Amino acid sequence: EAGVAQSPRYKIIEKRQSVAFWCNPISGHATLYWYQQILGQGPKLLIQFQNNGVVDDSQLPKDRFSAERLKGVDSTLKIQPAKLEDSAVYLCASSLLAGGNTDTQYFGPGTRLTVL
Amino acid sequence: GENVEQHPSTLSVQEGDSAVIKCTYSDSASNYFPWYKQELGKRPQLIIDIRSNVGEKKDQRIAVTLNKTAKHFSLHITETQPEDSAVYFCAAHGSSNTGKLIFGQGTTLQVKP
Repeated sequence: EAGVAQSPRYKIIEKRQSVAFWCNPISGHATLYWYQQILGQGPKLLIQFQNNGVVDDSQLPKDRFSAERLKGVDSTLKIQPAKLEDSAVYLCASSLLAGGNTDTQYFGPGTRLTVL
Repeated sequence: GENVEQHPSTLSVQEGDSAVIKCTYSDSASNYFPWYKQELGKRPQLIIDIRSNVGEKKDQRIAVTLNKTAKHFSLHITETQPEDSAVYFCAAHGSSNTGKLIFGQGTTLQVKP
């Protein structure tokens, strides 16, 4: 089966600019996650969708980050305006089940963001 | 809040030796503990996981043990090979009813030929 797809793979922007990332989960997967992975650290969950509804965005900096999952399939994550500390790899993951599951999460290749 | 501590941060072993990575978690309600391997510039990939109803699980050269009382779990790799070199992350399922994973900081494993 095809894996989780993400684009772009790399992005370099200047601080205060805007950027958007796209994720296409594995077909049929109900749950989609966006993680931020700062160099040398483990992934940190930013937001979780079940179908097209948000179930956890407690660690999303809502003053500058936004995300949506229209129609319960693809998702976009936006940063506006970007700060230097947003430099990281943004990983998208998906899992098959919905509803508080402990199902395997499959990760995409990530988007490496550099903010200058 | 929920937290996962992982040790060591770096580990270097000779090919053929064993490697052990340890994690502790704070949320006693956690019931699912996956381990991911991440090669340089690549996506994290699940290598093994364990649920709270078992104490040990093995898959060829990889095994994971879980001690719920002490709230710690460990990854054991036997007969290490150079291709085992990567960053390994442990994770614990948070107590929220959402499937949220809390990741450790990662262990960089180097297997020297």
